[in-house]
This record gives sequence, C-alpha cells and structure tokens, in this order.
Amino acid sequence: AQSVTQLGSHVSVSEGALVLLRCNYSSSVPPYLFWYVQYPNQGLQLLLKYTSAATLVKGINGFEAEFKKSETSFHLTKPSAHMSDAAEYFCAVGDSWGKLQFGAGTQVVVTP
Amino acid sequence: NAGVTQTPKFQVLKTGQSMTLQCAQDMNHEYMSWYRQDPGMGLRLIHYSVGAGITDQGEVPNGYNVSRSTTEDFPLRLLSAAPSQTSVYFCASRMTLSYGYTFGSGTRLTVV
Repeated sequence: AQSVTQLGSHVSVSEGALVLLRCNYSSSVPPYLFWYVQYPNQGLQLLLKYTSAATLVKGINGFEAEFKKSETSFHLTKPSAHMSDAAEYFCAVGDSWGKLQFGAGTQVVVTP
Repeated sequence: NAGVTQTPKFQVLKTGQSMTLQCAQDMNHEYMSWYRQDPGMGLRLIHYSVGAGITDQGEVPNGYNVSRSTTEDFPLRLLSAAPSQTSVYFCASRMTLSYGYTFGSGTRLTVV
C-alpha cells in the first residue's frame, strides 16, 4: 500500500525567501508523483508531476521538485516566495492501478 | 471545453436522505475519481474508475455508491446521509496514469 507524508501542516515564509515543502512517500513500485496547489474555495490545480523522465521537475509559477529514490522524497521548492504563493499545497502518489493518494496538505503563509 | 463539471455546488441534506452528486467531463478521459476533503485530512479517495463500466473502492467508500455507464459521467450516490458525510466533494478526471488530474470546482455538502 502506498502512503504520502507531508512534513509540516503550516509553513510561514517571508516574501522573497525560499519556499521548501517536504513530501515523503512509500510505494512498492516506482510511483507517479504530483504536487497540487489549492487556493481558497477553489479546486486543485496541478503544479508539476514526476513520471520517471527526469529527477528534477519544473512546474508552473516557478516551482520545481526533485525526486530522490534513495530518500523516497519529492520535495517542492521555489527560490523566491511571492505573496500570490499563499495557498495550500498537496503532494500525491499514484500507482499503476489508477489510485491517486494525497497527503494531508501544507498551508503556506507569505509575510511581507 | 468545460473540463470537469460538478453539480450542485452547495447542498444541505437531512440525516437519512439520499442524493446524487453529478460529475461530467468532456475531455474523453478514461480515469475518474471522487474525493472528499476535510480540514487537516487532505483529500481522501472515495471511489475511482479506470474506464466505462469499471469502478473500484478507495479508502473511504462506506455510505457511497458509484457507477460509470459512460466515459463522460461518474455520479456519486449518498445512500442515507449522515452528519459524518458533511464535507467538500471533488470529482476529477485524467487521460492516463502519468497525467495529472483535472479537478472540478467541488460540491459543499452539509448534513444536518
């Protein structure tokens, strides 16, 4: 069975500072990995995905994530936070049978 | 191209009532899923489908039924509503396993 752990339910960053959101997964087979963002009262929007083509994945809005198999991690980063990055972020792991499981989410607050 | 359409957007039910949450997509996607979102718990998979006529249970299927008679539609039925089913429900679809899900805008359900 696969599972996803997001470290930190809330993260506060200063505008212009590095954003780092941590995600660890467990999966018995090479997984499909995703990061999503959710703005208040909206559905989820895909930020980026890992599907084994490259370990460093670039997404929208300046975000990127690195797949590290040895650490079973897929951490999300952005070099310089913007006020518009304030949202909830979800890591998700998919298997070969069609299931996609989400982590509990990390709320990002950006301070001026 | 409407994407994933969920209806209704808001619903209040009395305990014991039944209802169907509608979900339709116009992207010819094979995979569709229903999730519920509760504070601090991320998104939990209720049921999913890998194609017309094929459905399976997720991690929280009790009290919900689904069917997939066409590629476009994936309705979620609440058999006998309970207060514990108060939540925000999201429907999502994707073309293949390596694609990210496209989410609907959600249905906010309150059971009193």
